[in-house]
Order: sequence, then C-alpha cells, then structure tokens
Amino acid sequence: EPEVTQTPSHQVTQMGQEVILRCVPISNHLYFYWYRQILGQKVEFLVSFYNNEISEKSEIFDDQFSVERPDGSNFTLKIRSTKLEDSAMYFCASKGLAGIQETQYFGPGTRLLVL
Amino acid sequence: KQEVTQIPAALSVPEGENLVLNCSFTDSAIYNLQWFRQDPGKGLTSLLLIQSSQREQTSGRLNASLDKSSGRSTLYIAASQPGDSATYLCAVMEYGNKLVFGAGTILRVKS
Repeated sequence: EPEVTQTPSHQVTQMGQEVILRCVPISNHLYFYWYRQILGQKVEFLVSFYNNEISEKSEIFDDQFSVERPDGSNFTLKIRSTKLEDSAMYFCASKGLAGIQETQYFGPGTRLLVL
Repeated sequence: KQEVTQIPAALSVPEGENLVLNCSFTDSAIYNLQWFRQDPGKGLTSLLLIQSSQREQTSGRLNASLDKSSGRSTLYIAASQPGDSATYLCAVMEYGNKLVFGAGTILRVKS
C-alpha cells in the first residue's frame, strides 16, 4: 500500500542552525501539507502546497519557514534559523483529488529537537 | 476561529466493551471530518473520513457519525481489544484544505 515517507526520523540541531525536513508523498497525490505537534499539544497546521505554490499557511509559518518541491517526488520543509520553540514532531501529509480521495495521509514524522 | 474539542481526554475500559469517543467543533462550515489513530511517538493513521453531506461511515468495528448542524461527531468502537489502545484524534477540514485537530482521547483497553 502506498505511504508517505519522511526523513530523517529524528534530528537534533543547535539553535540558529538551518534544518531541512524531507518528505516523499504518495506518488499520484497533488496536495501536500506540513503539520507539527509540540509535545503534549494538538497537531497544528503549518502550510499547504498545490500546483507548485503555497495555497495556505498558518501564523506559525513565518519567514523562517519555507517549502519546496524540488523534483517530482520530494517535498521539503526548511527552517532557516531554528529556535528552541521549533522543537516538535513534524508531519508531512498528502492527498489526491476531490471526492473519495479527500483523505489526508500522514507520514511517520520527524522529531526535531533544538538545543 | 474553529475549535475542536474531544471528550473524554482519557478512557480506560476492559477488553470487549463497546465505547464512544466524542468530538465537537465550533464552526459547522466544514468540508469533512476525519478520525485518526496515533500510537505513542508515531504518525497518524487515518481511520475514517465523513464528508459533510454524510451522516456516518463504518469500517470494521469502527463507526463514525456526524451531525454537522450541531457540530458533533462520535466514534463508536465495538468489542474493544487491547490493540485498540492508542490516542484517537478528530480533525475537521475547513474549506481551504487544512485540518484542525482536537487534543485527542487516550484510550487504554485492559486485557
């Protein structure tokens, strides 16, 4: 069964460093998302991406964040200068077209720890 | 701003019991509602999706209902098993694609 994959599974970085989180969405999907979950808190929407551009972003997704689909398979989230409060589990998700393919499928997550 | 609330926050039941998890949302202008399962330290597994025009969906021992006008959904789990132990998350999709999540119900099924 097709699935969303994410790398790395864990990342530890120093405050101020840049990190890139990688995702491979399900191959025929067109909509891509990043969410995050700070430990003990709700899953929060960060950004959605369709047709090679951001379609919606949350207040969290400020100038320190960017997303890219550099080729036909990868979808990346870059944090330019990490802060302590960026420590969280980051989930990538994808979905296909409308109708029965509205389900968003989530990857296993990348646990980011900023020291 | 959409708010999603899940009750109870935690639930512990003996194996074999039928149970109901509740989800409420403040803005009924939703596109659909999804129930997810999250195991500790893991990703989210989609269980059921109900379109806003539907009243319920079933998958195996799971049945989810949606009352959009009152802003409520329930997830019914029949004949619970220890393997059902996990956190169950409810999320509504607003027009515009993003999911808004509740805090989840932590379920423990005792053998």
